[in-house]
Amino acid sequence: AQSVSQHNHHVILSEAASLELGCNYSYGGTVNLFWYVQYPGQHLQLLLKYFSGDPLVKGIKGFEAEFIKSKFSFNLRKPSVQWSDTAEYFCAVNAGLTGGGNKLTFGTGTQLKVEL
Amino acid sequence: NAGVTQTPKFRVLKTGQSMTLLCAQDMNHEYMYWYRQDPGMGLRLIHYSVGEGTTAKGEVPDGYNVSRLKKQNFLLGLESAAPSQTSVYFCASSYSGRNTEAFFGQGTRLTVV
Repeated sequence: AQSVSQHNHHVILSEAASLELGCNYSYGGTVNLFWYVQYPGQHLQLLLKYFSGDPLVKGIKGFEAEFIKSKFSFNLRKPSVQWSDTAEYFCAVNAGLTGGGNKLTFGTGTQLKVEL
Repeated sequence: NAGVTQTPKFRVLKTGQSMTLLCAQDMNHEYMYWYRQDPGMGLRLIHYSVGEGTTAKGEVPDGYNVSRLKKQNFLLGLESAAPSQTSVYFCASSYSGRNTEAFFGQGTRLTVV
């Protein structure tokens, strides 16, 4: 069964600091990879996605992620965080469902707090 | 454009009561999903549907039932609520099974006392 590990559960940064959140997955086949963000009291929103091609993907709000197949990793980065980036971040993997569907397996999330 | 809409947004139930959560999407998506979100556990798939009239079990289906009578709606039912079902429930939909993103609703916060 596929699984996703997010190693940082809580991260506190000052504004303008750089961010890197780790994500590792376990699945030997072709995967789709995602980072979702959940702002306080809101639903999940897609930050970025990787399906194929260039392993460095850029998303919204200045976020990017790099897919390293050999390391089964999909780490999220942002060069300079803002207070408004305070949120919970989820890494997710889709390896498909028998008979179709898009079963996303989520990591446990990383709570990011950005201080002024 | 509404996207994925869940009703209700909040609900408090007593143990043993039943309720139905409604999810509606207006994007003509084939696939719909119900997840629950619990602290420190991420989101876990309860049930899903790959098309109108179909449903299937996810990781944590016990205590829940679903129906997909219309393509745009996906209902999640709790027949006899238990405190362990206190959670935030998210509905999602996607156009297809692969190489596509899932869109999420605003969530339903359910408390079972």
